[in-house]
Amino acid sequence: NAGVTQTPKFQVLKTGQSMTLQCAQDMNHNSMYWYRQDPGMGLRLIYYSASEGTTDKGEVPNGYNVSRLNKREFSLRLESAAPSQTSVYFCASPPGTGVTFSYEQYFGPGTRLTVT
Amino acid sequence: AQTVTQSQPEMSVQEAETVTLSCTYDTSESDYYLFWYKQPPSRQMILVIRQEAYKQQNATENRFSVNFQKAAKSFSLKISDSQLGDAAMYFCAYRSGGISNFGNEKLTFGTGTRLTIIP
Repeated sequence: NAGVTQTPKFQVLKTGQSMTLQCAQDMNHNSMYWYRQDPGMGLRLIYYSASEGTTDKGEVPNGYNVSRLNKREFSLRLESAAPSQTSVYFCASPPGTGVTFSYEQYFGPGTRLTVT
Repeated sequence: AQTVTQSQPEMSVQEAETVTLSCTYDTSESDYYLFWYKQPPSRQMILVIRQEAYKQQNATENRFSVNFQKAAKSFSLKISDSQLGDAAMYFCAYRSGGISNFGNEKLTFGTGTRLTIIP
C-alpha cells in the first residue's frame, strides 16, 4: 500500500517546454487534488477532481490542465512552462465523506519543478 | 472565501521548552475543521492535529495541543517539551464542513511558520 505516489520527484524545464506530472493513489479514494507550494505562500489549490470523470478549478488554475484518467490517476499538465511555474507540486487524496467521515488528507511526496 | 493567516514566519525554541504557533482565520461558515500540518525538510506533509469547530474541547495529541477560540477565529498550536525532530515548517489549514460541503475536502493553507529547535 503505497498511498499517494508522484512522478517525477524533480524536473528542470526550459521556458516553453511541456510536461505532465503524474499522481496515483491506491486507496480507492474518489477525490484527488493538486496543490502548488511557493516560498512564503503556503500551499494553493490548482485543480481537483471530486470523482472519476470530473475536474474543477482551484485558486490558481491558469497555465495548467488536468486529466482524471481513472479512479487511481490524476495528472497535471503544463503545456508551455513559464518561470512563474517554478514550484513544488503536491498531489493529495482524502478518504472522502459519507457515513465514515475522515479528516486525513494523504499527500504525495511532492515534485520540485524548476523552469529556466 | 476563507483565509488563513500565520503571522509568525519564523519561531525558535530551546529544546525541552514550550512554544506556541499562532493562526487566525476568517470565515462566515459555522461548520468547519482546522488542522496543523508539519512539513520537515523531506517535504512530506504530516497531519499533526485537527479540531472540529463544533467541539468546544481543545484537541490534544501527545505533546501537541491547540487553543481554539471560535469567536476570535484563532487556532494556535502549542508544542510542549520541544524535541529536535519538531524542527519543520508548520502550516495551519482550514476545511469547510457541514452536509452541504460533503465531497468538498479543499484545504486552505496559511503561509507557514518555520520552527527551529535550539539544542
